[in-house]
Amino acid sequence: NAGVTQTPKFRVLKTGQSMTLLCAQDMNHEYMYWYRQDPGMGLRLIHYSVGEGTTAKGEVPDGYNVSRLKKQNFLLGLESAAPSQTSVYFCASSPGQYNEQFFGPGTRLTVL
Amino acid sequence: AQSVAQPEDQVNVAEGNPLTVKCTYSVSGNPYLFWYVQYPNRGLQFLLKYITGDNLVKGSYGFEAEFNKSQTSFHLKKPSALVSDSALYFCAVRAYTGFQKLVFGTGTRLLVSP
Repeated sequence: NAGVTQTPKFRVLKTGQSMTLLCAQDMNHEYMYWYRQDPGMGLRLIHYSVGEGTTAKGEVPDGYNVSRLKKQNFLLGLESAAPSQTSVYFCASSPGQYNEQFFGPGTRLTVL
Repeated sequence: AQSVAQPEDQVNVAEGNPLTVKCTYSVSGNPYLFWYVQYPNRGLQFLLKYITGDNLVKGSYGFEAEFNKSQTSFHLKKPSALVSDSALYFCAVRAYTGFQKLVFGTGTRLLVSP
């Protein structure tokens, strides 16, 4: 049981480049989330999904898009990366919205 | 607005001593509170939660947390700290804004010295 996995672990982009972060979970969880973690700011919710084929905006969705084509996968896309998107990105999943969330190991993204 | 405050950026404690990591919250309605721990270069791990019931909640790795409604606090405690407890600790509260989301505090770094 791998839990929640994220790829890649590290990435460096130039301003304006695009990329996709992949999150996968093998716990059959309905809910999945993308957060970003910045120093002194805790975790902030970017987008979330309440089931396959659904997505919704969180607190800081601008500049990001997501897709949940399969229940086990939740993709986070940056169409045109900006230095303000330099951060550590965490994916999480939970069985339902009232349950604790299980987190992946994170992706460290640097935008130059 | 629903929020969580962790007033200490860092807590230092000697191994074997008791530790407390503080958290206060502001939420409308009944609070649902969580503690998570983050080890270096790792994701967050769930420690414990308070939904209802006893004010003292026991969790993983010997940690417990005390819910105090009058002081709107949910402090994390451990009777005897270990060096391996050194990590970043996050308090979170469930908030409803059309969806039940978690609002995280800014984190407290715990350093346990040998």
